Amino acid sequence: DADVTQTPRNRITKTGKRIMLECSQTKGHDRMYWYRQDPGLGLRLIYYSFDVKDINKGEISDGYSVSRQAQAKFSLSLESAIPNQTALYFCATSDLDGGAGELFFGEGSRLTVL
Amino acid sequence: AQSVAQPEDQVNVAEGNPLTVKCTYSVSGNPYLFWYVQYPNRGLQFLLKYITGDNLVKGSYGFEAEFNKSQTSFHLKKPSALVSDSALYFCATHDRGSTLGRLYFGRGTQLTVWP
Repeated sequence: DADVTQTPRNRITKTGKRIMLECSQTKGHDRMYWYRQDPGLGLRLIYYSFDVKDINKGEISDGYSVSRQAQAKFSLSLESAIPNQTALYFCATSDLDGGAGELFFGEGSRLTVL
Repeated sequence: AQSVAQPEDQVNVAEGNPLTVKCTYSVSGNPYLFWYVQYPNRGLQFLLKYITGDNLVKGSYGFEAEFNKSQTSFHLKKPSALVSDSALYFCATHDRGSTLGRLYFGRGTQLTVWP
């Protein structure tokens, strides 16, 4: 089983619909992240959480919200999806403080908003 | 502001030849530097990192990278490319003076190794 699991892997939805992407991890890491990948733009940080009580906005948080339900679970929501949110979304975890630890990524959730 | 730049969108190299994927960084303090690889339809995988110490860092799959402070570069290299190295490569950085612990990624370089 994967250490970082994302569901769904693929989703097609319509403008205005609410969407939730879920992430769970078995690595025991405190730090969890949601990134968005667009061709030619690399990865951009949406939200990150350093523990269950800590949620922080990233570069592109507008239009998104998150919930850290437990150490192992971190969900990303699009309250009202729009077409420019069509992208590949990645959840990631890390362990070391101070940014020295590498990230462990899920396999990605491909979202298409029509 | 912290950032990394990958000046080449694509790198093409013949199998067996050496490869270099370029990365330059800009951070206010001393950087942590990382390379990740993404194979098609997969998540990113960690390759190697520079934290401190020896400027030449060795990583997975025979890759290495050299930290050059004067040129603010962290280029990824491999002496002999394989077709299976074809993938999307990302450089990333974090300012160790920051308490935020988050990475800043480059835009990625598509490496194609042809037989």
